[in-house]
Amino acid sequence: EVQLQESGPGLVKPSQSLSLTCSVTGYSITSNYWGWIRKFPGNKMEWMGYISYSGSTSYNPSLKSRISITRDTSKNQFFLQLNSVTTEDTATYYCARSYNLDYWGQGVMVTVSS
Amino acid sequence: DVVLTQTPVAQPVTLGDQASISCRSSQSLVHSNGNTYLEWYLQKPGQSPQLLIYKVSNRFSGVPDRFIGSGSGSDFTLKISRVEPEDLGVYYCFQATHDPYTFGAGTKLELK
Repeated sequence: EVQLQESGPGLVKPSQSLSLTCSVTGYSITSNYWGWIRKFPGNKMEWMGYISYSGSTSYNPSLKSRISITRDTSKNQFFLQLNSVTTEDTATYYCARSYNLDYWGQGVMVTVSS
Repeated sequence: DVVLTQTPVAQPVTLGDQASISCRSSQSLVHSNGNTYLEWYLQKPGQSPQLLIYKVSNRFSGVPDRFIGSGSGSDFTLKISRVEPEDLGVYYCFQATHDPYTFGAGTKLELK
């Protein structure tokens, strides 16, 4: 069974970088697509980007040059880095498999605050 | 970016009723490969979103047949026949045809 698990700090200071890890079991990240999505306080959801089976990436332009998604195939993990965070980046962050987001992690709540 | 407009914002229901949620796109969601990448998710309280329907009308593994997705082009509907307690939560439509992928604002299915 495919399982995804996010991990990372729950509190980040403004202007710093947010770094999260998604650990995948039951399926190799060298197949399929692997994405990051976030849910803001309230209901708004935003697709942030993905890394493909080949390592190519696609990002939401709204995040401009702040976002980077990378991977470590030896550990079957992929990563999110979001630079220069502000309080508007406070959200629950999810990782998910595939372009149609068929399997999700449980999510990690990240608060940006000084 | 493609804007997905979901209506209603909230749908009060009685258990056993049918519920219907609309998702309208600002442009056609037919991909150049002929597929339409319009998906539906349910997020139950305290849980991650779960995929219900992919490519407009295909039920994901384990999804009951009371969930029916339909539509084409830029107009889509999710129908839930005979609403059960475990169906309550927030429903989202999502398009993966046009980059960047986008979500609807959500529809809360709640008890009357």
